[in-house]
Amino acid sequence: AQSVTQLDSHVSVSEGTPVLLRCNYSSSYSPSLFWYVQHPNKGLQLLLKYTSAATLVKGINGFEAEFKKSETSFHLTKPSAHMSDASEYFCVVSVYYKYIFGTGTRLKVLA
Amino acid sequence: SAVISQKPSRDICQRGTSLTIQCQVDSQVTMMFWYRQQPGQSLTLIATANQGSEATYESGFVIDKFPISRPNLTFSTLTVSNMSPEDSSIYLCSVEDARAYQETQYFGPGTRLLVL
Repeated sequence: AQSVTQLDSHVSVSEGTPVLLRCNYSSSYSPSLFWYVQHPNKGLQLLLKYTSAATLVKGINGFEAEFKKSETSFHLTKPSAHMSDASEYFCVVSVYYKYIFGTGTRLKVLA
Repeated sequence: SAVISQKPSRDICQRGTSLTIQCQVDSQVTMMFWYRQQPGQSLTLIATANQGSEATYESGFVIDKFPISRPNLTFSTLTVSNMSPEDSSIYLCSVEDARAYQETQYFGPGTRLLVL
């Protein structure tokens, strides 16, 4: 069975410092993995995806994630947080288009 | 990526009534999906709607409560029937990337439903 665990429900960082949002997955198959961001009162925006190509994936707005099969992890990082990054972030595992969402991590960016 | 719109964007409804949510996409797609996001929670897949076939519902969701139509490749509706306050949620539709084997979904802005 497929599942995804976001290890932190809330993360607070200061503006200009690195961001780390943690995600672990479980899948019987070679998974496709995604990170989405949900801005307030808006839909979900795709940040990046891993689909068995390069293990280091670069996304939009300076975000990137590294697929580590040995650790079953797909953590999202950004070198320097911006105030506009404050949102809810979801890690997703997909098998044949069946999306399973993590519980979400709310990122707070302090001035 | 596809441009997806939903109507209504929000609504307040009385218990026992029904609401139909529309999802329109600006390009033809085979697979469309409906999700529910309960307050403060993550997204849960309700059903997959492919044009020309019956929707496929996930465990815990039934057609009588959430009937879905998919009349063509750019449009779908989800009805929330006989509503109760527990149905207060954001309902989102999504579509698959039209390019083959991408397994990527793009989401509409959502419909915020409050049931009194």
